[in-house]
Amino acid sequence: DADVTQTPRNRITKTGKRIMLECSQTKGHDRMYWYRQDPGLGLRLIYYSFDVKDINKGEISDGYSVSRQAQAKFSLSLESAIPNQTALYFCATSAQGIYYNEQFFGPGTRLTVL
Amino acid sequence: GENVEQHPSTLSVQEGDSAVIKCTYSDSASNYFPWYKQELGKRPQLIIDIRSNVGEKKDQRIAVTLNKTAKHFSLHITETQPEDSAVYFCAAQGGSNYKLTFGKGTLLTVNP
Repeated sequence: DADVTQTPRNRITKTGKRIMLECSQTKGHDRMYWYRQDPGLGLRLIYYSFDVKDINKGEISDGYSVSRQAQAKFSLSLESAIPNQTALYFCATSAQGIYYNEQFFGPGTRLTVL
Repeated sequence: GENVEQHPSTLSVQEGDSAVIKCTYSDSASNYFPWYKQELGKRPQLIIDIRSNVGEKKDQRIAVTLNKTAKHFSLHITETQPEDSAVYFCAAQGGSNYKLTFGKGTLLTVNP
């Protein structure tokens, strides 16, 4: 089945380290998103991309960067990780050309910054 | 930008009772309102959605209502079952883009 996958699923790192979270999808979707989930705060948008040459900041982009390497791949980087970036990170995709935007989520990456 | 408020943050019901979760939004141009269910340790998944030209939509035990004038929408679950226990998120899509703004979630617990 077409799916959204994320690697790694769990990661523990130290303050100041650079870390990359990867997202791949076989759904053939053009739109991809990165969210952060914290208890009691819901899902907050970090970055989104509507095609390979389109990258946009979300509501909480500070401290993060992204790369859209191909239609199917969208990576999130933390240049210098800090403890308050400890969270559950989700990648999501949606189809271009469809106005009402059902999003399909990956399984999530649990990141801990010590 | 869009702001979505969701209440309550936690809800506990007895099996067989109904559950209602309410959301309000700020952008009058918002036109699409999905609801996602996230079971423990799993990814969020769409369970029902409603577009701005519709006032109510049902799918078996789940229904969503939309009041555009008041800018609020609600999720109704009837005859709740233990497997309905999860976190539920409402969201709103802005009128000029394809971004979703999510509420903070409601933890629903259905007690057997």
